[in-house]
Formats: sequence, C-alpha cells, structure tokens
Amino acid sequence: DAMVIQNPRYQVTQFGKPVTLSCSQTLNHNVMYWYQQKSSQAPKLLFHYYDKDFNNEADTPDNFQSRRPNTSFCFLDIRSPGLGDAAMYLCATSAGTYNEQFFGPGTRLTVL
Amino acid sequence: AQSVSQHNHHVILSEAASLELGCNYSYGGTVNLFWYVQYPGQHLQLLLKYFSGDPLVKGIKGFEAEFIKSKFSFNLRKPSVQWSDTAEYFCAVNVPNSGNTPLVFGKGTRLSVIA
Repeated sequence: DAMVIQNPRYQVTQFGKPVTLSCSQTLNHNVMYWYQQKSSQAPKLLFHYYDKDFNNEADTPDNFQSRRPNTSFCFLDIRSPGLGDAAMYLCATSAGTYNEQFFGPGTRLTVL
Repeated sequence: AQSVSQHNHHVILSEAASLELGCNYSYGGTVNLFWYVQYPGQHLQLLLKYFSGDPLVKGIKGFEAEFIKSKFSFNLRKPSVQWSDTAEYFCAVNVPNSGNTPLVFGKGTRLSVIA
C-alpha cells in the first residue's frame, strides 16, 4: 500500500542534543510537509517542500531545519532541542499544494 | 490569512445519538474544506473534503458535511454515532492558488462516545 512512513516512532533526546527525524513516502507526491502537534492541539505547520522549493512558515524557529534529498525522503533536523520542543512531529504529503494531505503516524519526541 | 473555528472543544454522546460538529472559516473567497479524524494512537486520516459541486459531501464511515457558503460553515454530521467514533476531529481549510499556508487547521473537537 502506498503510504507515508516516519522513523523512529519514538525519539528521546537530551536538552540541546541535535536530533533528526525522517519521513519517506511511496505516493510519489511532489509536496511534503512537517507539522508539530502538541497534546490536544491542532497540527502546526513548520515548513513544506514543493518539489525542491523550501517554504518556511514565518513563525517557525530557526532551531528547526529540513532537508529533502529526493522526492521520497524528507528530514526534520532540530539543532538544539529545548523542553518546549517535546511534541508529536507529523509528516504529510500531497499531490499539489492545495489537495488532500496524507499523514504519517508521527514521531513522538521527548526532550529530557 | 484564513482561520478556522471549531467551537466545541469536547463533545460527549451516547451511542446511537446524532452528531453535529461545528466548523466556521474566515475567508470570503473560494476555499477547499476538509475534515480529518485522529483516532487514539493513530495518524490523521481524511474523513471527507469539499472542493466544488454538491455542497453536501459524503465521507467514510457514514459521515457527511454540508458547505454553507453564506454562513462560512462546513459542519460535520453523523446520524448515529458508535463507540468506535471516539476520536479527535479537525476541520481544515485552504485557499487554492493563494500562496498562503497550504492547510489551516481548527483546534479540534474531541468526541467521546459512551455506551
């Protein structure tokens, strides 16, 4: 089945220790997104790639970076995680920017 | 920028009760509208979407939503809920070809269905 895969599902890191979350897709969608979702809140878009074009949301902290080496993979790098960065991180894809988005299962990040 | 309001934070219903979850958006032009569901421990899934055409949209699992342009609303309905409908429901909107954020979510409504 075509899908969005996120690894790892659970990630524990220490305060200030860089961490990378990964996302891959078999849908061959040209747009990939990273969201942050905290408990009982709506997903908050961090940034998205339209093909290789990177689009950062204005309020996304500089601490968050992303890479998309090819169509299938996208990475979220958190350079110096703080306690406030503990959250579920969701990857999504879509065919075109304004179509339905398909979500992965998320990576739950814990910062100690 | 567009925004989405879901007025009910938590709804508790008995099985077989009818459901209506409210969703209002702020943009006056053409919009695409979505309802997503997040079951406990699972990923966000699309319930239904509206792009154009018949304003009454039918989705999966017996859900439907009605787009009322004059009220800027896209309420979600189900005639008879089941325990398995317990989940978080998110309304979302985007404005095609606007260059704005691709998808803006409401804050979500938690539905608890009790026996």
